This record gives sequence, structure tokens and C-alpha cells, in this order.
Amino acid sequence: QVKLQQSGAELVKPGVSVKLSCKTSGYTFSTIYMSWFKQIPGQSIEWIGMIYAGDGGTGYNQKFKGKATLTVDTSSSTAYMYLSSLTTEDSAVYFCARHNNYFDYWGQGVMVTVSS
Amino acid sequence: NIVMTQSPKSMSISVGDRVTMTCEASQNVQNNIAWYQQKPGQSPKLLIYYASNRYNGVPDRFTGSGYGTDFTLTINSVQAEDAAFYYCQRIYNSPTFGGGTKLELK
Repeated sequence: QVKLQQSGAELVKPGVSVKLSCKTSGYTFSTIYMSWFKQIPGQSIEWIGMIYAGDGGTGYNQKFKGKATLTVDTSSSTAYMYLSSLTTEDSAVYFCARHNNYFDYWGQGVMVTVSS
Repeated sequence: NIVMTQSPKSMSISVGDRVTMTCEASQNVQNNIAWYQQKPGQSPKLLIYYASNRYNGVPDRFTGSGYGTDFTLTINSVQAEDAAFYYCQRIYNSPTFGGGTKLELK
């Protein structure tokens, strides 16, 4: 069955960067897009961007350009999101999800806390 | 940018009731809408895609309808496990989510 397993929670200081992972199984990784999302607790869901695992092509929400960089490793069927120069406003839960026009499978989410 | 507006923001109902929540798009999105259910501490779960198609394994008490700018999610005979947040999402270019509707059980 399809699974998306995200890396563990992060507690980081302001100014630091972090790389989140989303390891997939149960489907052909290179044939489908992967999207990433941000959700501040108690708020709605924001789409950050997407990446096509077949060729690494990306598309980003303008709001997150310069903040998030999406990559993939097809050899391990893993998607990554690099978040740069973190501030307290980046504290949130981040999800990956398989992007099949709609989002049919989701990772469990990872909490990123930015605090000095 | 297309804005998705959901209403009501919250609702409190009893088990067995029928509930309808709405999602309005600021521009015509045809049938390019999905609905998700999210419980606290969990990731969203896909319920409905392309406005009215029930996803695999979703109980048939969940029904989506609408086209263009106005969409509804109806839950017939609400069960206790339906207490959650519900989000609509515009499919395709720059996916956008509505603000959500919180469904509480009395």
C-alpha cells in the first residue's frame, strides 16, 4: 500500500536552515508529483509547492519562493524540502502529499519549532 | 488569485443529524474542487474530488455537489467519528484551501 513517512520533529534556532524528508513506498515514485504544505496549529493549510519526481521540475507558491526548495532522490523514492533562514513565523506542521491533481496520500506531518 | 471561502466556520450538531457546509470560489473553478477531513493531530484525508466523486473507502453518507463557484459537502446521519475540520481545496493551478469548517458533536 502507498505510504509517505516523514522525518521527525525539529527544534531549531532562528536563522538556521532545515531539510525535511518524505520517504515513499507502494507506488512508482517517478511518475507522480509530490506537494508540500504548511499548517500553523489552529489555521488552514497552505500549499508550498510541488515537484515532479520524474524530472525534478518544480512549481512554487509565490509566497514560499526563496524560503522552500524542493528536491527528490529517485534512488530512495524520497522527497525533500529545504527551508532556509528560519524565523518564528516558520514554526508550523509541514506535510508532504502525493499530488494526483488532488492529494490522495499524505505524510503524517512534522512539527518544526523555531525558537531561541 | 482565487480565494476559497468556507461557511460556517463552526457548527455543533447531534449524532444522526444531516449537515451541509459550503465552499465559495471567488472565480469559476468548474468542478475542480476537493474536500478533506482533518482530525486533531492527523493529516488531512481526501473525501471528495472533482466536486462530487467520493474517494475510495469514504462512507456514502458523505456527498459533494456544486459547479462553478458554489459547492457543498453534505453529511447524512452524522456519526461521532465525523467530528473534525473540513476543508475545500481548489484543484490545479496553485492549489488553494478554504479556511475550514469545524464540526463538533453536541
